[in-house]
Amino acid sequence: QQPVQSPQAVILREGEDAVINCSSSKALYSVHWYRQKHGEAPVFLMILLKGGEQKGHEKISASFNEKKQQSSLYLTASQLSYSGTYFCGTGHSGNTPLVFGKGTRLSVIA
Amino acid sequence: DAGVIQSPRHEVTEMGQEVTLRCKPISGHDYLFWYRQTMMRGLELLIYFNNNVPIDDSGMPEDRFSAKMPNASFSTLKIQPSEPRDSAVYFCASSFGQIEAFFGQGTRLTVV
Repeated sequence: QQPVQSPQAVILREGEDAVINCSSSKALYSVHWYRQKHGEAPVFLMILLKGGEQKGHEKISASFNEKKQQSSLYLTASQLSYSGTYFCGTGHSGNTPLVFGKGTRLSVIA
Repeated sequence: DAGVIQSPRHEVTEMGQEVTLRCKPISGHDYLFWYRQTMMRGLELLIYFNNNVPIDDSGMPEDRFSAKMPNASFSTLKIQPSEPRDSAVYFCASSFGQIEAFFGQGTRLTVV
């Protein structure tokens, strides 16, 4: 079942922060975050496994709340290079493939 | 490694024609996925293979779609006959153990 992402789109000025949410109606085993720039392939950012952990990747970090069946991606002090569409992919066991949300379009302007 | 290689990058075809999309996964990866991306539906999983064996093809829209993986280094997705609603970007991705999936550059298919 496709996870729900919010917001659908967000516009930021350089240096501002953003949060992108990903919710599932089913119990989650893992959450994967990808970023896709226009006309390019999605690129892996990070994976979170059940356990409520938080991970970081430069100024981009994420949390995973297993009980609430949701994950959030945090972008701090945004840069122009952060622009793109962010997808969360959810896995419900170690053997099932990811189901992706519809994406959140992030635009960072100067 | 050159990453996941897909061909062609762009394909324009007439309705009713057969279309074959090709994918070369990263060497050593044991999973291969075919996704379709549209504005309306986002990234949809069509089918995936594990060690060249199709595991789940429930995402394949119709019998017009078929996929094969004859060996560890090659996979095809075929649409026959093609229809305008098949127009989309088709991505192939591979991974080792379903941790981090590496996507190819995609094939933009336009059926007129």
